Amino acid sequence: GNSVTQMEGPVTLSEEAFLTINCTYTATGYPSLFWYVQYPGEGLQLLLKATKADDKGSNKGFEATYRKETTSFHLEKGSVQVSDSAVYFCALDPGGYQKVTFGIGTKLQVIP
Amino acid sequence: KAGVTQTPRYLIKTRGQQVTLSCSPISGHRSVSWYQQTPGQGLQFLFEYFSETQRNKGNFPGRFSGRQFSNSRSEMNVSTLELGDSALYLCASSRGLAGEEDTQYFGPGTRLTVL
Repeated sequence: GNSVTQMEGPVTLSEEAFLTINCTYTATGYPSLFWYVQYPGEGLQLLLKATKADDKGSNKGFEATYRKETTSFHLEKGSVQVSDSAVYFCALDPGGYQKVTFGIGTKLQVIP
Repeated sequence: KAGVTQTPRYLIKTRGQQVTLSCSPISGHRSVSWYQQTPGQGLQFLFEYFSETQRNKGNFPGRFSGRQFSNSRSEMNVSTLELGDSALYLCASSRGLAGEEDTQYFGPGTRLTVL
């Protein structure tokens, strides 16, 4: 079946540090890939997405590139802020009426 | 465009009781999915409804059920509550059409505490 693997964390970074959160997936065909962010006490918000190989999704300084050859969709940001502290979820949608599969979520803590 | 709304936001129940949660999707969205989120377990898929029919189902016991109305609003029901049902219940809506790009949008969740 489909699966998404990401580290659970927490990942602790100092403000202005470079962020990478790894995400790898297993799926047949060509799924769409997503990153969602969840702030404390809230639901998930869509951060960015990519629908085909080599697409780059970007939003609010975050980027991720759909790499089919390595089945990866790593999330990056050049300079994190305290306000980026949240849980980040990688997800895939295989399409064709199949359910969306989420990773376990990676908690990010940014300290001043 | 209004986002996904969930009611109530917080619930406290006791073991053995039942509970009904409601989700109103984004206008024009016909698919509603429900998830249970607990610490350490991440997001567990409960079920998805599309045009009033259950289209996908996760691995939860029959105590968890749902339905969808003609206006795409959805409810989920949990009967005979157990302590382990304490969780954040999230619903997500999407267009739900195969063959085209689709994205799930989440509501704020309902925090259920079972005492």
